[in-house]
Amino acid sequence: EDQVTQSPEALRLQEGESSSLNCSYTVSGLRGLFWYRQDPGKGPEFLFTLYSAGEEKEKERLKATLTKKESFLHITAPKPEDSATYLCAVQVDNNDMRFGAGTRLTVKP
Amino acid sequence: KAGVTQTPRYLIKTRGQQVTLSCSPISGHRSVSWYQQTPGQGLQFLFEYFSETQRNKGNFPGRFSGRQFSNSRSEMNVSTLELGDSALYLCASSAQGAGTEAFFGQGTRLTVV
Repeated sequence: EDQVTQSPEALRLQEGESSSLNCSYTVSGLRGLFWYRQDPGKGPEFLFTLYSAGEEKEKERLKATLTKKESFLHITAPKPEDSATYLCAVQVDNNDMRFGAGTRLTVKP
Repeated sequence: KAGVTQTPRYLIKTRGQQVTLSCSPISGHRSVSWYQQTPGQGLQFLFEYFSETQRNKGNFPGRFSGRQFSNSRSEMNVSTLELGDSALYLCASSAQGAGTEAFFGQGTRLTVV
């Protein structure tokens, strides 16, 4: 069965303290892996799409990477406004989208 | 460019009733996907419509149904509501299809009492 697991569930960082979030997946026929950011009471905000192992994408303090079994979202020198829940999702062969449970990130000033 | 609009934002219904939620996608987007988000199950895919046709469906009972109109606006209907249907219902629009650079609305918070 297709599964997406995100770790850790929650992460507390000091401002400027870099770290990484993990998304591991077990799916048949990966068509794409997506990262979203969700703030409380709002819909997810699209961040990145990765399609093949070895691919990397960057946006401001965020960098997403993809291997054959997992993806990492690296956060460099985070700021308090980066506090949010980060969701990973995979799209499989039948176009079904499977989301992980998310990592709740808190960045303290 | 206007974003994805979902109406209503909040809804309270009684068990056994039915409900219809609406989603207006970004202009020019032909794909609309619906998701249910709960604290226990997270985000779960309901179905996707593309050019008025249901292209894909998640693992939800037949009480959950949807449709898409020629202007790409979509509605989701839930019949015979159960307490467990209480959730945030999100729709996402994209130009290409489910997942590819999808933009989410703010969601409709449904509470079933």
